[in-house]
Amino acid sequence: EIVMTQSPATLSVSPGERATLSCRASQNVFSKVAWYQQKPGQAPRLLIYSASIRATGIPARFSGTGSGTEFTLTISSLQSEDFAVYYCQQYNNWPPITFGQGTRLEIK
Amino acid sequence: EVQLVESGGGLVQPGGSLRLSCTASGFTFSDYSMNWVRQAPGKGLEWLSYITSSSGTIYYADSVQGRFHISRDNAKNSVYLQVSGLRAEDTAVYYCARVSPSRGYYYLDYWGQGTLITVSS
Repeated sequence: EIVMTQSPATLSVSPGERATLSCRASQNVFSKVAWYQQKPGQAPRLLIYSASIRATGIPARFSGTGSGTEFTLTISSLQSEDFAVYYCQQYNNWPPITFGQGTRLEIK
Repeated sequence: EVQLVESGGGLVQPGGSLRLSCTASGFTFSDYSMNWVRQAPGKGLEWLSYITSSSGTIYYADSVQGRFHISRDNAKNSVYLQVSGLRAEDTAVYYCARVSPSRGYYYLDYWGQGTLITVSS
C-alpha cells in the first residue's frame, strides 16, 4: 500500500499571501496525484488531478506541481474561502486508493 | 449538473447492518465507475470500495472486506453499500464519489454530500 504523507498538519497564512502544501508518496506514483479541498460540513471537492491539471471551475490561483514522490499544492493569493482542509490522493498503484492525512489551512 | 445524493445512514447498534444508497443525476451513470469513501468524525478520508460501470470489477479496502458489499443498479442510476457487522469504529460520514471518465485515471471528480452512520448501543 502506498502511504501519502502531507505536511505540515496545520498551516497558518494571512489572506493575500501564498500557501504551499506538500505531499510525499512512499513509492513512485508518477503524476497520478489528485488534490481535494474540504470545508467544514461539506464533501471534498476536486481541485487538481494528474498532479498539475486544474479541475473544471477551479481558479487559477490554485496550482499543483511534482512527480514521482514529491508533490506540492500552491495557492498564490489566499482568499477567505480558501481556508479549509486539503487532501492529496494517489491513484497510480491501487487498490487501495490512498489519501494523505490532510493539511488544515487556517487564517493567521 | 452532476449530482450524487446518499441516503440510508442512521443510528445502529454494534453488529447491526444498513444499506446505503447513492442516486446519481446529471450524467450517464452507466458509463462511470463509482466509489465509496468514509470519514470518521474529525479524521481524514478513507477509501472503502470501487465498482466498475458494469459491476465486472469490485474492490474493497482490507478494513471492510467481508463485511461491506458494493453493488449498483444502472437502471435506477444508483450505487449501494451494504454494511454489516458494524463496529464503533465504523462511525463516519459515508460518501459516494464518481471516478473520472479517463481510462487509467482514478481520481474522484464528483462527491455526494454524505450520509452519517453512527454505531452505538
